[in-house]
Amino acid sequence: DTGVSQDPRHKITKRGQNVTFRCDPISEHNRLYWYRQTLGQGPEFLTYFQNEAQLEKSRLLSDRFSAERPKGSFSTLEIQRTEQGDSAMYLCASSHTGAARGYTFGSGTRLTVV
Amino acid sequence: TQLLEQSPQFLSIQEGENLTVYCNSSSVFSSLQWYRQEPGEGPVLLVTVVTGGEVKKLKRLTFQFGDARKDSSLHITAAQPGDTGLYLCAGVSNSNSGYALNFGKGTSLLVTP
Repeated sequence: DTGVSQDPRHKITKRGQNVTFRCDPISEHNRLYWYRQTLGQGPEFLTYFQNEAQLEKSRLLSDRFSAERPKGSFSTLEIQRTEQGDSAMYLCASSHTGAARGYTFGSGTRLTVV
Repeated sequence: TQLLEQSPQFLSIQEGENLTVYCNSSSVFSSLQWYRQEPGEGPVLLVTVVTGGEVKKLKRLTFQFGDARKDSSLHITAAQPGDTGLYLCAGVSNSNSGYALNFGKGTSLLVTP
């Protein structure tokens, strides 16, 4: 297993455009998480899935954000009508049931909205 | 959301020096994790502490979980340039909101030769 993969690594988009990011977790992990990290901050929780069910969403996840994990494997995070404030590193992580055993993070997708 | 405060925010030291960084909260955590993050990469798990008063060692790194499970510290002995990075603590609480980790803002460490 090659760990958690995220694609693309970098994305530059114009304000108002839609973007979609993909995350492929470690295959035996049933939990998948999305976090957002801005400069000088720790990762901020966005949402998480157990298998294909989205169990929690943060207040940070506005109506413009949507995440899916259709078959309980890979996940996508879509941002519609991007704004400059959406510029950040979007991190995906996976874990076994229960975060207490630790997350494995991907390398992230760096989004820049111009 | 439990607030985790890390201190110091920035630390610049010379190779060979010792240092301690702190992670504090007013909330009790069922476990606490430390991660290290390098620029442009995701955080990498260093250790998980579960029991109040627990001490874990990872080579030159010593992690301690407070007796009340509200705070933790990371001590690095004889720091090396390879220790440079952002050190993040993250807490797990068994709330109804699930098991998502809450992260502190991190301590940015620079070790110069």
